[in-house]
Amino acid sequence: ETGVTQTPRHLVMGMTNKKSLKCEQHLGHNAMYWYKQSAKKPLELMFVYNFKEQTENNSVPSRFSPECPNSSHLFLHLHTLQPEDSALYLCASSQDWTVFTDTQYFGPGTRLTVL
Amino acid sequence: GEDVEQSLFLSVREGDSSVINCTYTDSSSTYLYWYKQEPGAGLQLLTYIFSNMDMKQDQRLTVLLNKKDKHLSLRIADTQTGDSAIYFCAGMDTGRRALTFGSGTRLQVQP
Repeated sequence: ETGVTQTPRHLVMGMTNKKSLKCEQHLGHNAMYWYKQSAKKPLELMFVYNFKEQTENNSVPSRFSPECPNSSHLFLHLHTLQPEDSALYLCASSQDWTVFTDTQYFGPGTRLTVL
Repeated sequence: GEDVEQSLFLSVREGDSSVINCTYTDSSSTYLYWYKQEPGAGLQLLTYIFSNMDMKQDQRLTVLLNKKDKHLSLRIADTQTGDSAIYFCAGMDTGRRALTFGSGTRLQVQP
């Protein structure tokens, strides 16, 4: 247990569906991240929130929409996804994104399959 | 930006030492990390090393950093079957302050 939980663990959705991924951290951290892990690519950073402000959007398509209502919760809203969006989506948290010594702790991930 | 490369697969026998290698391109990377991912799980932080260090040891894990060659390695002593997993090397991109991960090395430990 890393103190970062993600729900659901598995999700199957059609291309016209709308769904949301949830991440919660119990570590008192101020930064939260979404990463995408595909079968054929290294882990890709998608979004960073630091103190609830979005500080990084790594050229992610608008069909992925993040939301960070507070420092403990992070959502990824999904709509009109494509089959190539099927991947493991990992959430991470850290104390403060601006600090170089910051260490990220990861959740178990949500395995997303888009039909 | 940072590029991080790793070999894809390593197989060792139980009790042997494992050495997983990683090369990176950004010489200004301040921190380098090793993460472990077991099947169906997220990434678990194993250890990290600062760029002003050459070596760091933590129980069965030894990290070696060769800054001249931009080469990082993770040695696991007395490898156990429970060490079977994918190991990711990651560098901190000091410009973007984001982690860049390698593709991961799958370690298979044979009894």
